[in-house]
Amino acid sequence: GQNIDQPTEMTATEGAIVQINCTYQTSGFNGLFWYQQHAGEAPTFLSYNVLDGLEEKGRFSSFLSRSKGYSYLLLKELQMKDSASYLCAIPTSGTYKYIFGTGTRLKVLA
Amino acid sequence: GAVVSQHPSWVICKSGTSVKIECRSLDFQATTMFWYRQFPKQSLMLMATSNEGSKATYEQGVEKDKFLINHASLTLSTLTVTSAHPEDSSFYICSARDRGPGQGAIEQYFGPGTRLTVT
Repeated sequence: GQNIDQPTEMTATEGAIVQINCTYQTSGFNGLFWYQQHAGEAPTFLSYNVLDGLEEKGRFSSFLSRSKGYSYLLLKELQMKDSASYLCAIPTSGTYKYIFGTGTRLKVLA
Repeated sequence: GAVVSQHPSWVICKSGTSVKIECRSLDFQATTMFWYRQFPKQSLMLMATSNEGSKATYEQGVEKDKFLINHASLTLSTLTVTSAHPEDSSFYICSARDRGPGQGAIEQYFGPGTRLTVT
């Protein structure tokens, strides 16, 4: 079957670095997405990893290890506006419907 | 590019009535559209997958007679919540997948969501 695990909540301080982990089990791998979602809004795309390694995009980086079924999202120089839920999603084969993790609610404190 | 709109953005209806939510891909043709429901502090829950011109595929536990999905064209899908009840109050989000190659054929583009409140 398919399963995704993420921590439910995390708290960090403004200016700090935080790493949000995502572990998954899937039959057939079509990449892994990270989305940011503020309360009451739709998810917005952050990253897509299909090959192993780290991809950096400004303050946000995403890492993937296919052999370990593991990904993380790294947020640097945290800002208050980064307080949001971060969703890990894996597209299934065929229709590419997403399997979503529970989401990690990140709270950034001043 | 890859913009998805939803209408309405919020709606209040009385118990027992029906509500229609539209999802449109504005600048691309969507092979597949997805409908999600999200309760407060929870992740997105997929309700159904719809392909243009064919019947929607519903996830386990989702009543297809209550949540009617029509995907009449490559740019429009509608979700009708029939005989709505207060427990149907939720945030409904649609997404669409492009026909293009590569990541674009896998990535889902999300609409802004529709907040439904049933009184």
